[in-house]
Amino acid sequence: DVVMTQTPLSLPVSLGDQASISCRSSQSLVHSNGNTYLHWYLQRPGQSPKLLIFKISNRFSGVPDRFSGSGSGTDFTLKISRVEAEDLGVYFCSQSTHVPYTFGGGTKLEIK
Amino acid sequence: EVQLQESGPSLVKPSQTLSLTCSVTGDSITSGYWNWIRKFPGNKLEYMGYISYSGRTYYNPSLKSRISITRDTSKNQYYLQLNSVTTEDTATFYCASWHGNYGAMDYWGQGTSVTVSS
Repeated sequence: DVVMTQTPLSLPVSLGDQASISCRSSQSLVHSNGNTYLHWYLQRPGQSPKLLIFKISNRFSGVPDRFSGSGSGTDFTLKISRVEAEDLGVYFCSQSTHVPYTFGGGTKLEIK
Repeated sequence: EVQLQESGPSLVKPSQTLSLTCSVTGDSITSGYWNWIRKFPGNKLEYMGYISYSGRTYYNPSLKSRISITRDTSKNQYYLQLNSVTTEDTATFYCASWHGNYGAMDYWGQGTSVTVSS
């Protein structure tokens, strides 16, 4: 299985700061069709995960443009500019290039 | 917007079968892929499997022959069965949709917590 490693485990931030989360995969996530199926989810307290970014850098419907994704191959980053209170929760990266699909261990974004 | 809702017992005894239902509104399960994922205590997420628009299934090999995903298109519901459960199957179970243009699980149910205990 593809192992997804996220860092850091916890990210204390002040509101208005920029935040950056890293995700590394144990093998390349480039599919034979040329797409890279690396996605980011946010799970707020008491809620289910919500899709934020799909295929590295595409924001899902309704996701603010302060969220951006980048990377290639095995190294990926989620950036949040100007963190707001509603951004707090646990962020997961996930891959769906290889079966079984797998998830990172999560990064908890919390107030400093 | 697609909405998914999990339902089923919150407590299951060891060695018994865990059975959950996912009810879907706002979309037909005869399009896309319909998934089950679980989250263990401590944040670990595990992808369990899917049933496709055509009824084809995929299961995570880690679950071996214990898992079955079926559907009832007349009710727009799909189901998870996990046999021979142990305490290590205690988790929150989510159903989620997948539409090809995103390549990701786009909408998730609220989740249902299942404890395996005697």
